Amino acid sequence: NAGVTQTPKFRVLKTGQSMTLLCAQDMNHEYMYWYRQDPGMGLRLIHYSVGEGTTAKGEVPDGYNVSRLKKQNFLLGLESAAPSQTSVYFCASSSGTGDHQPQHFGDGTRLSIL
Amino acid sequence: GQNIDQPTEMTATEGAIVQINCTYQTSGFNGLFWYQQHAGEAPTFLSYNVLDGLEEKGRFSSFLSRSKGYSYLLLKELQMKDSASYLCAVLDSNYQLIWGAGTKLIIKP
Repeated sequence: NAGVTQTPKFRVLKTGQSMTLLCAQDMNHEYMYWYRQDPGMGLRLIHYSVGEGTTAKGEVPDGYNVSRLKKQNFLLGLESAAPSQTSVYFCASSSGTGDHQPQHFGDGTRLSIL
Repeated sequence: GQNIDQPTEMTATEGAIVQINCTYQTSGFNGLFWYQQHAGEAPTFLSYNVLDGLEEKGRFSSFLSRSKGYSYLLLKELQMKDSASYLCAVLDSNYQLIWGAGTKLIIKP
């Protein structure tokens, strides 16, 4: 019963390097989300997708790109990592956005940019 | 702007009752969620309120007053495993979740 799986769990990058964070869900959910969580702040939405082949910007999209080529996968890319992108990244999925459709979260990716 | 306020930290005693408050100012309202997040782990869903009143689910209850922009999470018969952060989140007019910074609850024996 995997739910939402994120890889990798930890990563250290140097400034300017690029990488891709992977998110996979096995619940057949239409909606998927990428958040970042920083100390003292609420979860902030980076990008989201309402279905296969669609993506949209959230609250803090700059410096990130995403792709949703398959319904079950949502990829988050950092093109040129910066120290300000040091954070814990969470992927989430949901069956919808309306009545009583909670988001289900992966275990997070802890990313440090040196 | 959109804003959700929760106390940063609370301390309670094992076996007692604690109430965690959440006030919100958002562009529209389509429901309020409470999540639990243990340190180093993912948030997990606790409750959802869209109508005024109290929703009870075992030891946990959640209350909503839309006119006051206010909710609380009530935890009864506290256990050590309830030590965690509790996140309040509001679904706004665009059906996007706006998150509070969370309340860290410390349970003492």
